Amino acid sequence: SYELTQPPSVSVSPGQTVIITCSGDRLGDKYTCWFQQKPGQSPVLVIYQDSKRPSGIPERFSGSNSGNTATLTISGTQAMDEADYYCQAWDRSTGVFGSGTKVTVL
Amino acid sequence: QVQLVQSGAEVKKPGSSVKVSCKTSGGTFNSNTISWVRQAPGQGLEWMGRISPILAIANYAPNFQGRVTITADKSTTTAYMELSSLRSEDTAVYYCTRDLRILVPSTNNYYYYMDVWGKGTTVTVSS
Repeated sequence: SYELTQPPSVSVSPGQTVIITCSGDRLGDKYTCWFQQKPGQSPVLVIYQDSKRPSGIPERFSGSNSGNTATLTISGTQAMDEADYYCQAWDRSTGVFGSGTKVTVL
Repeated sequence: QVQLVQSGAEVKKPGSSVKVSCKTSGGTFNSNTISWVRQAPGQGLEWMGRISPILAIANYAPNFQGRVTITADKSTTTAYMELSSLRSEDTAVYYCTRDLRILVPSTNNYYYYMDVWGKGTTVTVSS
């Protein structure tokens, strides 16, 4: 079965840039989404179709996807961005989530 | 504004079944799909399956094949997820999501993304 791999955790200082990776075989041939989840809350879509932001998502969130790796970049990270982040893609009509990355804003 | 309202928390015995509902409002129920995603305590997200209400066709993740049934009632714009043969490892929060369908001009194929999530339904399996 298809797998997406993410680093378990990353840390960032306020105002700095953090990049979260999501790796999978030929992932660049698929579209990737990213979700933000805060404790006790439902996930929220922050990036879809590799790089598009839904209405209401700040411009500091951006995404890209090429080769075997998709990335979510948070520029000018704020304390409110501390959360778990999950990538997601479709493999032959089956949904696949990455293992999740905990972002800590120090 | 699209909303997904899920049914309340459930406590079930091992070996029994649970059926969770997801009432949608404010959007086009038929032209999109509804996915079910679960999250065990302290764990990540796990996709279980989805349904196309207009086609009444569902597909399931291999891990749940044979144990999960997803259905949809177009008249009430409600989707359902039934999980059988429950075991303690099925204790989790179960989410429904709207998978918005868009046409990608460059490929002329549809692409779906989970743009709206329900608040989740906690299912506890315990003897």
